[in-house]
Amino acid sequence: QQQVKQSPQSLIVQKGGIPIINCAYENTAFDYFPWYQQFPGKGPALLIAIRPDVSEKKEGRFTISFNKSAKQFSLHIMDSQPGDSATYFCAARGSSNTGKLIFGQGTTLQVKP
Amino acid sequence: KAGVTQTPRYLIKTRGQQVTLSCSPISGHRSVSWYQQTPGQGLQFLFEYFSETQRNKGNFPGRFSGRQFSNSRSEMNVSTLELGDSALYLCASSQTSAAYNEQFFGPGTRLTVL
Repeated sequence: QQQVKQSPQSLIVQKGGIPIINCAYENTAFDYFPWYQQFPGKGPALLIAIRPDVSEKKEGRFTISFNKSAKQFSLHIMDSQPGDSATYFCAARGSSNTGKLIFGQGTTLQVKP
Repeated sequence: KAGVTQTPRYLIKTRGQQVTLSCSPISGHRSVSWYQQTPGQGLQFLFEYFSETQRNKGNFPGRFSGRQFSNSRSEMNVSTLELGDSALYLCASSQTSAAYNEQFFGPGTRLTVL
């Protein structure tokens, strides 16, 4: 119940494509869902986050879609660029577990020029 | 504002030794969380500190411990190191311990146990 399942494990797209990364969870107590981007040798950097009372959130080229009934959420990267090549992690946090993030296993994205 | 800083960045230890890692949160942030990142297990929560009190603890053995000081700086300690403790240890800070508070990560400390 504490897991967050992320897919795919790896993804290759051409420049300008729209990679989509999916996450699913079981625990309905989760009510905050951030996405992090991590480059080699760096710590994860917060990209965008959503609460379940919102079905979609956009920040720049990054969009989160949230389906509360299906307990799924996804990250879309519009007009992807080679500089977006990184590992992406979804996460979840429950209000009763403040500060504790449960992470998905990560998706390694490669954007080819 | 300076980001989260972690020292040292790299450490090499041998089995049975102990190690102390340090984290300085973003100025004004009072909550510090620690995570272990490995290729096999991914990112796993170790513990969270707020106002010098441990608020949450992950599923790790008692060899892993931490503390937070009055200036919000935090340390974590791993005693009796095992080969499996080799990992990237990440510290994240947030303003408060509230659920929706954004967590900002440091660059991590790469620990290698030989």
